[in-house]
Parts: sequence; structure tokens; C-alpha cells
Amino acid sequence: GAVVSQHPSWVICKSGTSVKIECRSLDFQATTMFWYRQFPKQSLMLMATSNEGSKATYEQGVEKDKFLINHASLTLSTLTVTSAHPEDSSFYICSAQDRGKGETQYFGPGTRLLVL
Amino acid sequence: AQKVTQAQTEISVVEKEDVTLDCVYETRDTTYYLFWYKQPPSGELVFLIRRNSFDEQNEISGRYSWNFQKSTSSFNFTITASQVVDSAVYFCALSELNTGNQFYFGTGTSLTVIP
Repeated sequence: GAVVSQHPSWVICKSGTSVKIECRSLDFQATTMFWYRQFPKQSLMLMATSNEGSKATYEQGVEKDKFLINHASLTLSTLTVTSAHPEDSSFYICSAQDRGKGETQYFGPGTRLLVL
Repeated sequence: AQKVTQAQTEISVVEKEDVTLDCVYETRDTTYYLFWYKQPPSGELVFLIRRNSFDEQNEISGRYSWNFQKSTSSFNFTITASQVVDSAVYFCALSELNTGNQFYFGTGTSLTVIP
């Protein structure tokens, strides 16, 4: 139980294009989903928190217009990196939480984004 | 201020040795949760354990054990008889009830088990 999938696992794109990453909770309803960014050999950096049906809450320094988050259902959240640039290249990880069952976050396998 | 401190950046042990990963946290909340996650080279974070602030009982799961001590604000993780498959980065995390259960991650400890 508590499986979270993420798609795609790898994406290479040209500078200026937009990239959408999907995060799905497969066997539970995720009342809250989180998006993280991780640079090599560093810890996870929280980008935003999204609750189903409401606007995402972004961390300080994260551009809302750059990283669009949609949490349309209890099992799906998407992160769209708009007009990606090389500095957006990173490892993006989502997590899902069923608040009714505790505070544990279950993580997806991550998406490696490389912007050329 | 760092809420979760993992002072050990990198640790190397020889297979079958025991190893303890340290985690020290800081919070003013009375209700909070502590977690350990394993991140192997593939990148996916694997949930290992969750502890709430009212449960100081130590836990053992196979070769893994956890020592939670509120008096020293520590939640240390011990791997007994380490194996090569234990090689990974391990993260300790804190979640506070009063901050919407946002996770505060430590900087991680990279464990290498040498065969």
C-alpha cells in the first residue's frame, strides 16, 4: 500500500519549452501533495504544498508562474515547469499524504529534468 | 535555524559492521512526528519509520532499530550487520502539528557499505 507514481521519470527538453510532471497516488486518496526539488548531493527543498481543489501554497522564493501546480483530484497532482531554462534542470520529487491516516508522506520515484 | 541536524555527512563501514546514523531535532511543539527515509541511488525515497512525540519506545525491525530520546532531542537509527544494499542516503525528517505537517528534512547521511 501507499504507492505513489510519477511520470515521466526522465525528460530532456529544449530551453523555452514547458514540461508537465504527473504525480499519482495509486492506492490511497491524497488529501495533500507536496513538490520538492533536489540538487545533487543535497537535501530535498520543498517547493509547494497543494491540497485537492485549492490553490497551491508556494514556499518563499519559488515562482508561482514558473512552476504551475494543479491538484485536480485526490489522486493526481501536476507540476508544470513553464518556459524551462537550463537552471531548472533538477530532480523533482512529489509526495502524497493522506491526512486522515497520519502524517507520513509517501514519495514518488522522482523526475529528472534536463533542459538543454 | 536548522530544525533537523544530521551531523554525519558521509559514513563508510565494512560489511557486517553495525552503524548508527545520528539525528538531532529542534521544536517547540509538544506534538510532532519524526521520520527516517532511505534514498538509494535510484532516487526514490523509501519510508522506513514514523514516530510521534508521545511514543518514546524504541523500535526494532529486522536489522534496523531506532532510539528516540526526547531528553536529548535525538532520533538515532542503527543498522546492525550492515549489507551492501544498505548503501544509500538516509534522511531524518520532522513534522510539526502546528505548521501544517510540513516536513523539515535533515541534510542527509550518505552511507557506503564496503563489501
